[in-house]
Amino acid sequence: DIQMTQSPSSLSASVGDRVTITCQASQDISNYLNWYQQKPGKAPKLLIYDASNLETGVPSRFSGSGSGTDFTFTISSLQPEDIATYYCQQYDNLLSLFTFGPGTKVDIK
Amino acid sequence: EVQLVESGGGLVQPGRSLRLSCTASGFTFGDYAMSWVRQAPGKGLEWVGFIRSKAYGGTTEYAASVKGRFTISRDDSKSIAYLQMNSLKTEDTAVYYCTRGMGVAAYWGQGTLVTVSS
Repeated sequence: DIQMTQSPSSLSASVGDRVTITCQASQDISNYLNWYQQKPGKAPKLLIYDASNLETGVPSRFSGSGSGTDFTFTISSLQPEDIATYYCQQYDNLLSLFTFGPGTKVDIK
Repeated sequence: EVQLVESGGGLVQPGRSLRLSCTASGFTFGDYAMSWVRQAPGKGLEWVGFIRSKAYGGTTEYAASVKGRFTISRDDSKSIAYLQMNSLKTEDTAVYYCTRGMGVAAYWGQGTLVTVSS
């Protein structure tokens, strides 16, 4: 099975800061990597799909990059409404394997 | 507008069964695979399984943790996906979400809480 790791597990930053989260896969997953935002008590929301594509309606301060085993998610200027937990997720439609990373909790300093 | 509404959650004893429903609207249900994802209290997200559309055979895939105990089915005439959960364990306690599609979950329901406890 493919294992996903995320770092850091939590972070605290100031409004306006650039925030970066990394996600690493245990084997090459090409660009089959998505990023979700989850606020407390709410369902997750898709932000980035296929590593770098911004989902419709998602603010442009969110971005993603990477391929293979190493991926990065960035918030260019942290806003108060971005307080949430962020999850990466890999998918392999051929093997029908879908794995979420453990999540990164983002707080305002 | 795409909407997914889960129902059927509740308190159930270990070893018993429960069936969850996911009622969809706002899109042609039969054209899409449907997935289930769960989240234990205070924990991360775990993919449970999915069912392909009839065009792709309507076949199912499951996570190892639920394989043999959980069954996903669909009724395209009613736009409903089901998650039949048998032999429930305390570790199955979670909020269960249905999502549209397989690898990329752009649409989620609000979730339904399943508590397995004696």
